[in-house]
Amino acid sequence: QLQLQESGPGLVKPSETLSLTCSVSGGSISNNRSYWGWIRQPPGRGLEWIGSIYYSGTTFYNPSLKSRVTISVDTSKNQFSLKLTSVTAAETSIYYCARHSRLPYYMDVWGKGTTVTVSS
Amino acid sequence: QTVVTQEPSFSVSPGGTVTLTCGLRSGSVSTNYYPSWYQQTPGQAPRPLIYSTNTRSSGVPDRFSGSILGNKAALTITGAQADDESDYYCVLYMGSGFWVFGGGTKLTVL
Repeated sequence: QLQLQESGPGLVKPSETLSLTCSVSGGSISNNRSYWGWIRQPPGRGLEWIGSIYYSGTTFYNPSLKSRVTISVDTSKNQFSLKLTSVTAAETSIYYCARHSRLPYYMDVWGKGTTVTVSS
Repeated sequence: QTVVTQEPSFSVSPGGTVTLTCGLRSGSVSTNYYPSWYQQTPGQAPRPLIYSTNTRSSGVPDRFSGSILGNKAALTITGAQADDESDYYCVLYMGSGFWVFGGGTKLTVL
């Protein structure tokens, strides 16, 4: 059974870079039927798609975050990662990683999420 | 910028039927957007309910159904139960690897 697990610092200072990793188990990240993506949710608010990556390294980013986001993949470790630069307190959120199935197109497997607080 | 619209809140009586919708501020939702629906309870990750407009995810009760109604995607809950009280999100696949979430609907069962 495919499982995803987020990891990374729970506290980031304003203006610094948020870095998270999603470890995939129970299946290969080198799967041509999947994108691997990140979603976030500020406290008490809705979900926002951040971006996704194909195992080949092709990336897709939310246009509103594109200038600050980098998603990368490490197929040898079966992991993918998120970097978000110049964060502000408003980006305090739960960050989820999820598999984005290709045909059909939906987010079928989610990690449990990790809380990242942006504060000095 | 693509904006996906959902009702902020809705209420339904136990045993009742409710239809939540998912629209586009500019344009119509069709099956080409592969609308999907997710249920989220407090403290939990979202759970997929419906994908490709009307296909239920594994283990989802058949009281949940999806469709296109007019120019919107719709999630209908028939025979609502107390544990259906949750937040519901729709997602549209915009093509070329891009996805957009709706703002979510908070469903109350009372």
